[in-house]
This record gives sequence, C-alpha cells and structure tokens, in this order.
Amino acid sequence: DSGVTQTPKHLITATGQRVTLRCSPRSGDLSVYWYQQSLDQGLQFLIQYYNGEERAKGNILERFSAQQFPDLHSELNLSSLELGDSALYFCASSSSAGGKETQYFGPGTRLLVL
Amino acid sequence: AQKITQTQPGMFVQEKEAVTLDCTYDTSDQSYGLFWYKQPSSGEMIFLIYQGSYDEQNATEGRYSLNFQKARKSANLVISASQLGDSAMYFCAMREGFDAGNMLTFGGGTRLMVKP
Repeated sequence: DSGVTQTPKHLITATGQRVTLRCSPRSGDLSVYWYQQSLDQGLQFLIQYYNGEERAKGNILERFSAQQFPDLHSELNLSSLELGDSALYFCASSSSAGGKETQYFGPGTRLLVL
Repeated sequence: AQKITQTQPGMFVQEKEAVTLDCTYDTSDQSYGLFWYKQPSSGEMIFLIYQGSYDEQNATEGRYSLNFQKARKSANLVISASQLGDSAMYFCAMREGFDAGNMLTFGGGTRLMVKP
C-alpha cells in the first residue's frame, strides 16, 4: 500500500458526460501528479500540483482540468468524454515539487466510456 | 525521439533465475533520475528502485539492482532469484532536471513472465 488513495476504483459512463476523479496524497506529501495509461498512448503525464498551485502541465486535453485543495487532496475533472478517454488514471504524490523524491502511485481509477 | 526505450516487449524467465530488463534513455540534462516501477495484473504501480544521475554506485533494493551505465545511457533492472510473484509489467521512467516540474516520462514497458 503506497499510502495514496484514489476514488472511485472503477467508473463507467457515456460519451459526452463529465466525471470527477479524486486523489488523496500520502500524509505529508505536497505534490500531486496525474497520469493517464491507455493502450495506444502508454503512460502519460497530465498535470502536477504543488501545495495548491499548478506546477507543470503535460499532455492534458483542454476538456480536462484539475485542482488541489487546501487539504492537499486533488481532483481531476474530465468533461465531454469521448471513447478514447477510456483509460487507467493514476494519481501519484511526492513530498516536494522537485529534487530526488520518488513518486508513489495510487491504485488508479479505471474509466470506461461507452 | 523516444526518451525512454524498453526494447523487450515480453520476456520469460525460469523461477529462481536472474533476469535483466533493458532500458535506454535520452536526455541532454546533467541532473536526472531513473526509476523502475512494477505493474502487476491488478493494475497498481509499485515503485521498485531509483538511480540518480550523480550516484556513483548502482542502486540496490533487495532482489532488485539497477545496472547504470551513464556513458551508454542505459539503466537496466536486474532481478535476482525470480519468483512467480515477479510476473508483471515493468516500466522504466525518467525525471529530467530538478527544477520546477517533476514529471516522469515512461517507457513502453516489458512484460515479464516467470515460469515455474
């Protein structure tokens, strides 16, 4: 158990809908990262937050947004869902914004868009 | 160009034998970190081992060791005494620089299958 929690574990929804994925980092970790794992794109970095502020952005679609709250949990919002958004979405956390710290991953949320 | 290349899509190893999973990387940064993660069929990503670009010794964590050859830009994972529970996908990842932004870039993974 990495100490990172993600809810829900599974999500099935329809095209055009909007969903929210939730992540709680390990105790004491200030950085949260979101990654998407799909069959065709592999594991891709989406976005990073550090202590409530956006720190880095990767291949995140405009239909997707994220935020980190004062209690350090983070939410990833996916809207106008398409079939191709079906993937495993991981949240990871680390203690700082940079440096050597390892990122510990949550169990993931498996999203299926029908 | 791919930043992280794992050339072995799948590998078999006999239980109790050692196995090496290959990883080559491409970066122009002097400071970077290399990671290996394990993803069993259940889906979670489990951190295995880390090697910093300035670390002079190869990293080791139990049965895992990282064969770091900086000049060749390779960071191969060695698993000694393979166990059935080692059957999983293995991903090599790199973090470039230590400034703002700490994202990992992942390779395509290697599926390891341990035979009894």
